[in-house]
Amino acid sequence: RKEVEQDPGPFNVPEGATVAFNCTYSNSASQSFFWYRQDCRKEPKLLMSVYSSGNEDGRFTAQLNRASQYISLLIRDSKLSDSATYLCVYRGAGSYQLTFGKGTKLSVIP
Amino acid sequence: DAGVTQSPTHLIKTRGQQVTLRCSPKSGHDTVSWYQQALGQGPQFIFQYYEEEERQRGNFPDRFSGHQFPNYSSELNVNALLLGDSALYLCASSFLETQYFGPGTRLLVL
Repeated sequence: RKEVEQDPGPFNVPEGATVAFNCTYSNSASQSFFWYRQDCRKEPKLLMSVYSSGNEDGRFTAQLNRASQYISLLIRDSKLSDSATYLCVYRGAGSYQLTFGKGTKLSVIP
Repeated sequence: DAGVTQSPTHLIKTRGQQVTLRCSPKSGHDTVSWYQQALGQGPQFIFQYYEEEERQRGNFPDRFSGHQFPNYSSELNVNALLLGDSALYLCASSFLETQYFGPGTRLLVL
């Protein structure tokens, strides 16, 4: 089983739509979780950290389910500028490295 | 406040050659991590430097080595280049948890 599994997409959605991405991870000792976004041929940029209680940042909501080893990202009212690849990331307990999924590609269409 | 900077932006080498990539962290950051991102993949952790020492290493051969200087900047060296080393090399700096990525060096090995 891969350490982080994500649906590669692409997800093609119209502007204003709500879209959800899911991610599963295999390391039950994972400690910290993140969503990064990566634009084409650019570096990954931190979108948000993910907490067990769930957290929201504007149009973005992240959820973590430790029992199911599952992370989600919900984007409401999609904008053209949301088009990017979304990377699911974790850091294991006692580890300094970030482990990335392959990413889910989102295209928001006018 | 300058972000993470990397040089060069692009590089073309031939098999068997050696390459050195450079990274300057964000102001106030003392830790530098290096990642390799092949096309269509998520970044893969190479190693992390803290206090001028390699603190953790990923699953990369000894051909990959690094260094951190007293001003926290860092170098990644790759010897005996292989075609498979062609990738985007990302540097990330941090102070405590969150890692911020530089724009990367795109290496092509012919």
